[in-house]
Amino acid sequence: DIVLTQSPATLSVTPGESVSLSCRASQGITTSIHWYQQKSNESPRLLIKYGSQSISGIPSRFSGSGSGTDFTLSINRVESEDFSVYYCQQSYSLPYTFGAGTKLELK
Amino acid sequence: QVQLKESGPGLVQPSQTLSLTCTVSGFSLTSYNVHWVRQPPGKGLEWVGRMRYNGDASFNSPLKSRLSISRDTSKNQVFLKVNSLQTDDTGTYYCTRDNNYYWYFDFWGPGTTVTVSS
Repeated sequence: DIVLTQSPATLSVTPGESVSLSCRASQGITTSIHWYQQKSNESPRLLIKYGSQSISGIPSRFSGSGSGTDFTLSINRVESEDFSVYYCQQSYSLPYTFGAGTKLELK
Repeated sequence: QVQLKESGPGLVQPSQTLSLTCTVSGFSLTSYNVHWVRQPPGKGLEWVGRMRYNGDASFNSPLKSRLSISRDTSKNQVFLKVNSLQTDDTGTYYCTRDNNYYWYFDFWGPGTTVTVSS
């Protein structure tokens, strides 16, 4: 199975800061990585598909990059509504796997 | 519009069988794959298995011996059964979808909470 390692586990920031969240795959997965945001007691929401492709309705401050084994989700100027947990997910091969998540919290 | 909604018993006893239903609308089960993803309390997401558009099912290996996934296309429903329940099967179970042209989860159900306890 492909293991996705997300770092850091927790990121404490103030609104207005820009942040980068990392996701590393245990083997090369081209750009078959997708990012989700999950707020407390809600379902995950798709933010970025295939590493860097934007999703309709998602604010432009969210962007993704990377290929192979190293991927990054960037949030330009964090807003209060962004404090939540972020997961990466690979669709390169079954079983699909998720990273353990990065919690973005208010400093 | 696209919707998925999970339903289930809420509380199940250990060693019993869990039966969950995902009812979909706004798309066809013969064109999209439906996946089950679960989340233990306070923990991350785990892929459980999927029902493909063509009726084939796939499962996560650690769970494979205890799982079955089926569907009724006439009712727009996909079913998940987990037998020999253990306390660590407790959590929120989501259904979500992708298809054979893109393999990301674009719509999710609200989830149903399952507690395994005597």
